[in-house]
Amino acid sequence: AQKITQTQPGMFVQEKEAVTLDCTYDTSDQSYGLFWYKQPSSGEMIFLIYQGSYDEQNATEGRYSLNFQKARKSANLVISASQLGDSAMYFCAMREGQGQAGTALIFGKGTTLSVSS
Amino acid sequence: DTAVSQTPKYLVTQMGNDKSIKCEQNLGHDTMYWYKQDSKKFLKIMFSYNNKELIINETVPNRFSPKSPDKAHLNLHINSLELGDSAVYFCASSQVIVLGAPHYGYTFGSGTRLTVV
Repeated sequence: AQKITQTQPGMFVQEKEAVTLDCTYDTSDQSYGLFWYKQPSSGEMIFLIYQGSYDEQNATEGRYSLNFQKARKSANLVISASQLGDSAMYFCAMREGQGQAGTALIFGKGTTLSVSS
Repeated sequence: DTAVSQTPKYLVTQMGNDKSIKCEQNLGHDTMYWYKQDSKKFLKIMFSYNNKELIINETVPNRFSPKSPDKAHLNLHINSLELGDSAVYFCASSQVIVLGAPHYGYTFGSGTRLTVV
């Protein structure tokens, strides 16, 4: 079974609108971390936002917020006021456990976001 | 200063050759990783090292051999290259996370695009 599921292969949004990218996860650990990364066409992986499983508040970083619904095991990324530069591939990822040495991120298959003017 | 640097950025080589990709991080992180991103953009962990010790060794052909001379370096050597090895290889690093401590993210290098012809 997939640990991280991103069901939207592609999303389209107009500039200045908000968009939600979906992510559901599967783990039996009580302690875990959820991450979102952006990969523009230039190829680098850019860290956007992090949510710990024990964090009671939803994480926010500028125009990015993470809608964390623990019972539903979802960690959706919300981008407010989309900009043309937001066009990229977005990956949801999970770190299981408390971050013991060598714990790797598990990635979803990604969602391609296209922002139009 | 680049936090995680990989060389080379592009690598084109013939089938059957042996090649290496180098990775260095100047963040003082304990753990380093190699990920492979296939043609469908899926990111999969290959190896992780913590303080020069191999932690994760996913189901990867033994033609792939990581080497960590010190905790700031993790190189990837590939023997007898095959067409299917064509992909983007990402190096990453992270710090061990202590519960309650500030979160440390995973920092990625800019990737090495390997093309086997």
